[in-house]
Amino acid sequence: QVQLQESGPGPVKPSQTVSLTCTVSGDSVNSGNYYWSWIRQPAGKGLEWIGRFRSSWNINYNPSLKSRVTISIDTSRNHVSLKLSSVTAADTAVYYCARAVDSWSGYYADYWGQGTLVTVSS
Amino acid sequence: QSVLTQTPSASETPGQRVTISCSGSSSNIGTNTVSWYQQLPGTAPKLLIYGNNQRPSGVPDQFSASKSGTSASLAISGLQSEDEADYYCAAWDDSLNGYVFGTGTYVTVL
Repeated sequence: QVQLQESGPGPVKPSQTVSLTCTVSGDSVNSGNYYWSWIRQPAGKGLEWIGRFRSSWNINYNPSLKSRVTISIDTSRNHVSLKLSSVTAADTAVYYCARAVDSWSGYYADYWGQGTLVTVSS
Repeated sequence: QSVLTQTPSASETPGQRVTISCSGSSSNIGTNTVSWYQQLPGTAPKLLIYGNNQRPSGVPDQFSASKSGTSASLAISGLQSEDEADYYCAAWDDSLNGYVFGTGTYVTVL
């Protein structure tokens, strides 16, 4: 059974860089078979796709966040990482890690973590 | 900013059927398959439908979905109180080169 668990710093100050980690069990982030994705959700609002990683040459980011986002993997720890720089209050949200499939049946996220709250406040 | 548009809310009495719509464009729903996610209060989203109308293992057949042109719909039949949740459609967008979600629909069981 695939499981994903996000972790992060909790509260961060404006202009800082926030780093989140997604620990994956039941699958290998290095298999190249799936996309490892980040999605966020501000309180009371909808879902926003941040980006995805499949390999070093196969990474996509939301155009609205692209200049501030980096997604990478740590194969030794089977982690997926998200770095978001120059954060503002608008980045306050629950951040989800998800595994995504891209197949004949299209693109979709089949496994999700429980999410980690990032609060940006001075 | 959501690219796919959903009606904010829908409601029906227990046992009845409710339908949720999702409107997109030629660069997303018109070209790529649609998936649907259920988010129960206080929990992470869960995959409900993929490939326009395919249910993952464990999702009951009370949930069904379809796609036509640049729109898609999700139907929930035999509505139960535990179906009260937010429902999001999603699709890959070729113009944005990203995954886009709908605005979400909250289903209330009266």
